[in-house]
Amino acid sequence: NAGVTQTPKFQVLKTGQSMTLQCAQDMNHNSMYWYRQDPGMGLRLIYYSASEGTTDKGEVPNGYNVSRLNKREFSLRLESAAPSQTSVYFCASSIRGLTEAFFGQGTRLTVV
Amino acid sequence: QKEVEQDPGPLSVPEGAIVSLNCTYSNSAFQYFMWYRQYSRKGPELLMYTYSSGNKEDGRFTAQVDKSSKYISLFIRDSQPSDSATYLCAMVISNFGNEKLTFGTGTRLTIIP
Repeated sequence: NAGVTQTPKFQVLKTGQSMTLQCAQDMNHNSMYWYRQDPGMGLRLIYYSASEGTTDKGEVPNGYNVSRLNKREFSLRLESAAPSQTSVYFCASSIRGLTEAFFGQGTRLTVV
Repeated sequence: QKEVEQDPGPLSVPEGAIVSLNCTYSNSAFQYFMWYRQYSRKGPELLMYTYSSGNKEDGRFTAQVDKSSKYISLFIRDSQPSDSATYLCAMVISNFGNEKLTFGTGTRLTIIP
């Protein structure tokens, strides 16, 4: 049982480049989330999807877009990367809300 | 002021000691309280979850919530080197199916053998 799988694990982008972070879960969870983690800031919610076909903004959505491709997959896209988006990105999923969320291993993104 | 405050540490204690980790919060609407453990370069994993004031035990771990003081704690008994990690408190406001999860910044803990 893989749980929540994120790809890639590491990425370096140049300012202005675009990329998509992929996330897949095999636990049949309804809800999926994207967080970023920065030193001294804790985990901050970027976007979430309460169910297949729905997405909503979190605390820090600017500069990001998401797609809930199906129940298993939730992707995060950076259209024009900026150095301020250098962070560790975590995908999470839960069956009934945020109280029991399972996290992936993270994607370390550096924008130069 | 952040809604959830957590001392970032670092905190170093000898093996076998009792560890106390704490968070304070300002929003009385928080209903659910969790502790996550995060090993270096890994994702957070849920340790404990409670929704009421009082204590909840799970093995060597005890989560304590004091809603009147807006204060939560995690105690680790007989601490082990494998407990070395960053511990994140987290809190949820749940309102008619809409949930907001807020994390503390994490406390980095090292257990010294």
